[in-house]
Amino acid sequence: AQSVTQLDSQVPVFEEAPVELRCNYSSSVSVYLFWYVQYPNQGLQLLLKYLSGSTLVESINGFEAEFNKSQTSFHLRKPSVHISDTAEYFCAVSVGSGGYQKVTFGTGTKLQVIP
Amino acid sequence: GAVVSQHPSWVICKSGTSVKIECRSLDFQATTMFWYRQFPKQSLMLMATSNEGSKATYEQGVEKDKFLINHASLTLSTLTVTSAHPEDSSFYICSARDHSGRSYNEQFFGPGTRLTVL
Repeated sequence: AQSVTQLDSQVPVFEEAPVELRCNYSSSVSVYLFWYVQYPNQGLQLLLKYLSGSTLVESINGFEAEFNKSQTSFHLRKPSVHISDTAEYFCAVSVGSGGYQKVTFGTGTKLQVIP
Repeated sequence: GAVVSQHPSWVICKSGTSVKIECRSLDFQATTMFWYRQFPKQSLMLMATSNEGSKATYEQGVEKDKFLINHASLTLSTLTVTSAHPEDSSFYICSARDHSGRSYNEQFFGPGTRLTVL
């Protein structure tokens, strides 16, 4: 079975500073990796995903994540955060294909951007 | 594209009543939908996987008689919380998988339904 670990439950950071949200996973088979963002009282929105190919993936709002197979990590980074980035971020791993595909979520990291 | 809606967005009910939550894929067909539950300040916990035209697959510890799931069409799955109690109060989120090949390995999430049982 796969698992996801997000070590940091909360990350405060000043506006325009860089940030890294850590995510490590465990799986005995190949995985697909995702980062989702959740704003208060809302559902999850996909931020970026790694399915195959280039290990560095980017989102449209400046976030990027790099798949590191040897370290089983998929850390999320942004060089300069904005107040609007304040939200909770969930790392997720998916294995399998075809009829059944289970997604396992990490416990989330609350990013608090301080003005 | 790939929009998933949920209805209602929030509901308050009395203890002992049943509540139905709908999950719809608006612009794609979803043979598989998932139901999650999220407690305050916690991650999403998968409750069940719903396959169109067949019985749902429940995760360990989830009472199938308590949380009835029906996936009668390619665009609609429903979750009914039967005889709801205050401990069932939670944020319920559904997701759907697009099987068209466009985003095969991605799940699209609904906005969630907040259930409060008094």
